[in-house]
Amino acid sequence: DQQVKQNSPSLSVQEGRISILNCDYTNSMFDYFLWYKKYPAEGPTFLISISSIKDKNEDGRFTVFLNKSAKHLSLHIVPSQPGDSAVYFCAASGFNYGGSQGNLIFGKGTKLSVKP
Amino acid sequence: DVKVTQSSRYLVKRTGEKVFLECVQDMDHENMFWYRQDPGLGLRLIYFSYDVKMKEKGDIPEGYSVSREKKERFSLILESASTNQTSMYLCASSLPGTSQETQYFGPGTRLLVL
Repeated sequence: DQQVKQNSPSLSVQEGRISILNCDYTNSMFDYFLWYKKYPAEGPTFLISISSIKDKNEDGRFTVFLNKSAKHLSLHIVPSQPGDSAVYFCAASGFNYGGSQGNLIFGKGTKLSVKP
Repeated sequence: DVKVTQSSRYLVKRTGEKVFLECVQDMDHENMFWYRQDPGLGLRLIYFSYDVKMKEKGDIPEGYSVSREKKERFSLILESASTNQTSMYLCASSLPGTSQETQYFGPGTRLLVL
């Protein structure tokens, strides 16, 4: 029973274009969402987060959008660069989501390839 | 900057061996976590700890144990390694207090059990 789903295992984008990575969740008690980026043989690095009181958060080339009614969030990367090629994990947490506070529930990841 | 370090980047062990994976963080974080990452399965939580000497089971604790004797150090123990424990092991830490806690990860240990 996946509470956080990333339905696209992979995505290929041309350099300079927009990359859109999607994430769906089922638990309405999640109130904090994060994106992590992971290169092979390295640990995930925190990229950007968003609280449920917002619908958008921007940091440079990275923007996360949250649609609470649809239980959907997306990460936009504009413009995409070859160095963005990595696996991206979506994660969620909440005070009363039914699990332990402070724990993150991760999606299975989407592998992004940015072609030069 | 938060720094989370793991004792080994790569390990090769034999079936039945006892394996220790060490994780140290330097930011005085109360929370520490152990995950494993496998292709197509994402990150799965093995154990976590909210404080010294405290531990809680995650989603896949079978075959593992942990030790938290000091705040900065969280050890994962494979009592008798098996081939299905070949994986990438990731340690993370975070500050407690709210639900909006960013976890910071170490570089990972890639374990091969033969």
